[in-house]
Parts: sequence; C-alpha cells; structure tokens
Amino acid sequence: DSGVTQTPKHLITATGQRVTLRCSPRSGDLSVYWYQQSLDQGLQFLIQYYNGEERAKGNILERFSAQQFPDLHSELNLSSLELGDSALYFCASSPQTSGIHNEQFFGPGTRLTVL
Amino acid sequence: GQSLEQPSEVTAVEGAIVQINCTYQTSGFYGLSWYQQHDGGAPTFLSYNALDGLEETGRFSSFLSRSDSYGYLLLQELQMKDSASYFCAVISFSGGYNKLIFGAGTRLAVHP
Repeated sequence: DSGVTQTPKHLITATGQRVTLRCSPRSGDLSVYWYQQSLDQGLQFLIQYYNGEERAKGNILERFSAQQFPDLHSELNLSSLELGDSALYFCASSPQTSGIHNEQFFGPGTRLTVL
Repeated sequence: GQSLEQPSEVTAVEGAIVQINCTYQTSGFYGLSWYQQHDGGAPTFLSYNALDGLEETGRFSSFLSRSDSYGYLLLQELQMKDSASYFCAVISFSGGYNKLIFGAGTRLAVHP
C-alpha cells in the first residue's frame, strides 16, 4: 500500500458524459501527478501539481482538466468522453520537492470504461 | 519529436542477469527514470539517472550515457517476482514545461 488513495476504483459511463476522478496523496506529499494507461497508448503522463500549482504538463487533452485543492487532494475532470478515453488512470504523489524526476508513489488507479 | 525505444519482451531464468535497454531521442533532456509494473498493479519507481554512469540499488542497477542517448536497467539474481513490465521514461524540458515521456515497456518473464 503506497498510501495514495484513488476513488472510485471503477467507473462506467457513456460517451459525451463528464466524470471526476479523485486522488488523495500520501501524508505530507505536496506533488500530485496524473497518468493515463491504455492498451494502445501505453503509460502517458498527463499533468503534475505542486502545492496547488500546475508544474508540469504532458499530453493532456483540452477536454481534460485537473486541480489540486488546499488540502492537497487532486481531481481529474474528464469531459465529452469518447470511447478512446477508456483507460486506467493513475495518480501518484511525491515528497516535498517538486521535481518530476523524484520517486513517485502510485495509487491503485481508477479504471474508466466509456460505453 | 520525442521517442523512446525498448524491447517489447525479454525472457530469462531465475538467478540470471538481464539487461533492458532504452534508447531515446528528445530535446531538453534532463534524465532517465525506470519503473516496474506487475500485471494488474500500479507502477513502482525504481531509479533515476541524470548523470552518466551506473547507479546501483540492491539487485537493480541503472545506467545512463547522455552522449549515446542510451540507458539500461540491469537486474541481477533474478527472482520469479521480477516478472513484470519495465518502463523507461525520459524527463525533459520543453515548451516551458517539464515533461515525462514513457517508453512502451518491456515485459520480463522469469522462468524457473
């Protein structure tokens, strides 16, 4: 158990809908990262937040957005969902420094299925 | 553009040594990380190399040659539990942002 929690574990929704995935980092970790893992695209880094501010950005679609709240939990919002958005979404956190190279601790993931 | 190449599959026997190579093309290169992921599990951070040379952590070592745009992960004294996928990931700075790009992963199968 990494200490990172993600909810929900599974999510099934329809095309065109909007969903919110939630992540609570390990106690004391200021950085939160979001990843998407699908069979055809592999593991993709989406975005990093450090203490509430966006710090690094990957191939995150405009339909996707994220934020980190004052209590350091983070939410990833996915809108206008398409079939291709079906994937496993991981959240990770890392300790005090904000460097993207730091050791990251991954949560168990949220499996999103878009029908 | 940016690209990473690593073998799709590697097979080895228990107790052996295996090397998983990773070559990359990227601008604004910072460093190379390695992650392990067991089937159905979440990725686990293994190592990070920013400078040329070998970094050793127990049975696992990671190597980087910036001039050759090449790195590898070395796993020694293989155990069955090392059967997993291994991803190399390049950290770079581009377009005003740090970026982390993953390779497609190498599936390691360890046999008795």
